[in-house]
Parts: sequence; C-alpha cells; structure tokens
Amino acid sequence: QVHLQESGPGLVKPSETLSLTCTVSGGSISRYYWTWIRQPPGKGLEWIGNIHDSGIINYNPSLKSRVTLSVDTSKNQFSLNVRAVTAADTAVYYCARGWSSGCADPWGQGTLVTVSS
Amino acid sequence: QSALTQPPSASGSPGQSVTISCTGTSSDVGRYNYVSWYQQHPGKAPKLLIYEVANRPSGVPDRFSGSKSGNTASLTVSGLQAEDEADYYCSSYTFSNIFVFGTGTQVTVL
Repeated sequence: QVHLQESGPGLVKPSETLSLTCTVSGGSISRYYWTWIRQPPGKGLEWIGNIHDSGIINYNPSLKSRVTLSVDTSKNQFSLNVRAVTAADTAVYYCARGWSSGCADPWGQGTLVTVSS
Repeated sequence: QSALTQPPSASGSPGQSVTISCTGTSSDVGRYNYVSWYQQHPGKAPKLLIYEVANRPSGVPDRFSGSKSGNTASLTVSGLQAEDEADYYCSSYTFSNIFVFGTGTQVTVL
C-alpha cells in the first residue's frame, strides 16, 4: 500500500523559497503523475502541479513563474520549490499520487507552511 | 482558469439523500470525463470518492455516486450517515494536463 509523507520547514520568511519533499513508500515512483496541492487555512484546495518520472511537468498557470517541481527516482522522492513567497502562500501543502485521469490518490497527511518574518 | 463552482453548503437528515453540483465550462467539465470528487473531514487530508465522473475506488461505499450533464457534474450521497458530515470538493481536467478544483461544499447531517 502506497504511503506519502511530506517534509520540510514549517516556517518560511517572506521573499524566500519554500522547499518541500514528498517521500513515497510501499511502491515505485515510476509511471504516475506526482502531484502537489495546497489549502490555505479555512479555504479550498488549489492544484499546484504534477510531475511524471518521464520528465513531463505541468504547472498551475497562476503559479508557474514561481514554482519548480522535481523528482528523484533513486530516493523515491519528489519535491516542490516556491520562490519569492508571501503571506498568501501560507497553506497546508499536500503531496499525492496522480493518475492519468487527473484524480489524486492517495494523499499525504499534509504539512502546514507559514510565511512570516 | 477559474475554480469550478459548488454550493457553499448542503444538508440532509440521516437516511436522506443530498446532491452537490459542480459547475464548470465547456473547456473543462463539459469537455472531459475526468471529474473527480473528494471528501475532507476537519484536519484531515482529502480522500478520493469518485473518479472519471462516476467510478468508485475500492472501499468507497456505493452510497456515493457521481454523474455529469453538460458543464455540470454532481455527487449524490444516499442514505446520509453522521460520518458523511464533511467538506466535498470536485476536480476536473482542463487542458494540457492542467487541473482545477471546485470551491468546496460543506455537508451537514441534521
């Protein structure tokens, strides 16, 4: 059974880079679209982007200029970087396994990242 | 692209049915059969309920069903139970492997 776990700093200063890693256990990282989704406190879900081990990367157009996704198949991990963060980037960040049909399953438990000085 | 539109809230008594709508456009919900639904309890990660409009993953009760007509997808929860009280989100493929979520619906079991 595949399990995903997000890791990274819980506090990031404004204008700096938010970096998170998702570790996949119980299955291979190959052949799926590994996905990042975020949820600001008290608000709805926002799709950030996904990455396939073949090299295909897709980004939410509204975040594309600040976001970079990468995958490390040797470690069964994929990562998210968000540059020049502001308070609006404060959210629970989830990683998930994405399918070609776009659904996400399973999800990690999520990690809260707060942007504050 | 804009978020898909869902009603902010819905409610029903135990045993009743509730239907949640998810309205998009001819560029997303109306064009592709790649609509998914998720259930999220407070403080928890979302859980996949429905994929490709009407398919249930293994382990999801058949009380949950999905459908689509034109630019609007729907999730119906039949035989409401107390544990169904949660937030529900739809999601759709748009274009070039871009996906969008709905605004979310809070379901209350009266």
